[in-house]
This record gives sequence, structure tokens and C-alpha cells, in this order.
Amino acid sequence: DAKTTQPPSMDCAEGRAANLPCNHSTISGNEYVYWYRQIHSQGPQYIIHGLKNNETNEMASLIITEDRKSSTLILPHATLRDTAVYYCIVRDFYGGSQGNLIFGKGTKLSVKP
Amino acid sequence: NAGVTQTPKFQVLKTGQSMTLQCAQDMNHNSMYWYRQDPGMGLRLIYYSASEGTTDKGEVPNGYNVSRLNKREFSLRLESAAPSQTSVYFCASPGRISGANVLTFGAGSRLTVL
Repeated sequence: DAKTTQPPSMDCAEGRAANLPCNHSTISGNEYVYWYRQIHSQGPQYIIHGLKNNETNEMASLIITEDRKSSTLILPHATLRDTAVYYCIVRDFYGGSQGNLIFGKGTKLSVKP
Repeated sequence: NAGVTQTPKFQVLKTGQSMTLQCAQDMNHNSMYWYRQDPGMGLRLIYYSASEGTTDKGEVPNGYNVSRLNKREFSLRLESAAPSQTSVYFCASPGRISGANVLTFGAGSRLTVL
């Protein structure tokens, strides 16, 4: 079973920041938070991951609460091409012996002109 | 560009036919995985290979076989296709980014079994 809870859908205006929340209240100390997205019909794409500190890369920022029970993915200036399903996943350091990640249903983000 | 390549992109089969989905990665990773994705559901792991010469069952292995031909290639075979195997199949391989395993996915293979 997925260890995360995400809203099923969100809308965002083009050019505005998109803030996607994720609850992971049962996360353990050695588990990372990963974010992937899947643009229609394409393979999932890695966005960012973090353990306890906030992280930023060229795609997005990840804000993790101090108790690590929730996080927010921020797309600072959403474009139409950011319309996708966004998956929040928690997994341990090695990703398990299989490296498997459990993908739930994610959040469908619709960026509107 | 480095990544995961899958073939074919689309395939239509009749019930009972066999086929093989091919996957190759050029990232020199040890592990490779096959997932299937059905409408309204997340990705489910079919089989994985932790290293060349080894394979293991995932969550939904029934009706499939795999071969880890070498470090680059990992194929998925349907011996006798069934309509329940209509799905989109993704191959993936994990690599290290900032100390954590990050999956790189192929573009997918859309299979329809009539």
C-alpha cells in the first residue's frame, strides 16, 4: 500500500507557483521523499528527492516539514507543459533490495492559460 | 542521450499469441525493472533484475517471463497473451543521484490483446 496521501487533482494558472502537498505521516527515519511526474502517455520522470532538508534543483523545490510527516513540491512558474500527474513516494535509502518504488494515484495537476 | 529505450512502442496481439518487449539501458546500471500501468492505477512491478544473470518476481509476475541478456538488456516475454495483459509497459533502471536510488523510465510500450 502507498504510504502517502495526495489530493487527486489541482489547478494552477500559468506563470503562477504550483504547490503540491503530500502527507506521509508514517515515514521512518531512513526513508527519502521522492517526487516523480508522468506527462500523458509518457514514462514517469524523476523530479526531486529529499531526506529532511529542503531541496531545490532546476525543476522544482521540495519543502519537508520539520517532523517529516508532510512535504510540498513547488513548481515556481508553472507552464502548460507542467500539466501531468505528480507522484509523491517514500522509500528507504537504497530503495529496497529491489529498488522498487510504489506509485499511488498521484495528483493530476492542470495548468491553465 | 543516456537513458532507457523500449521497443516496440505499440503492439496489437490476438489472444494466445506470443511476443517479447525489449528494453536496453546505456547508463551502466546493475538493476532493471518491468512495470505495467493500467487505467486509474499506479505502476505495478512485474519482474526485476538486480544484476546480470539474476531475475526475481515482482507484484504481478503471472503470465510473463523475463531474460536479463546482459547488463544492458532486459526483455519481457508474453508466452500466450490474454486480454487482461492489455496495458502500458514500462522498463526502468535505478541509478544514484545524491545518494538515493532514482529510477529512469523508458517511454513505454502500449500493448493491446484482442
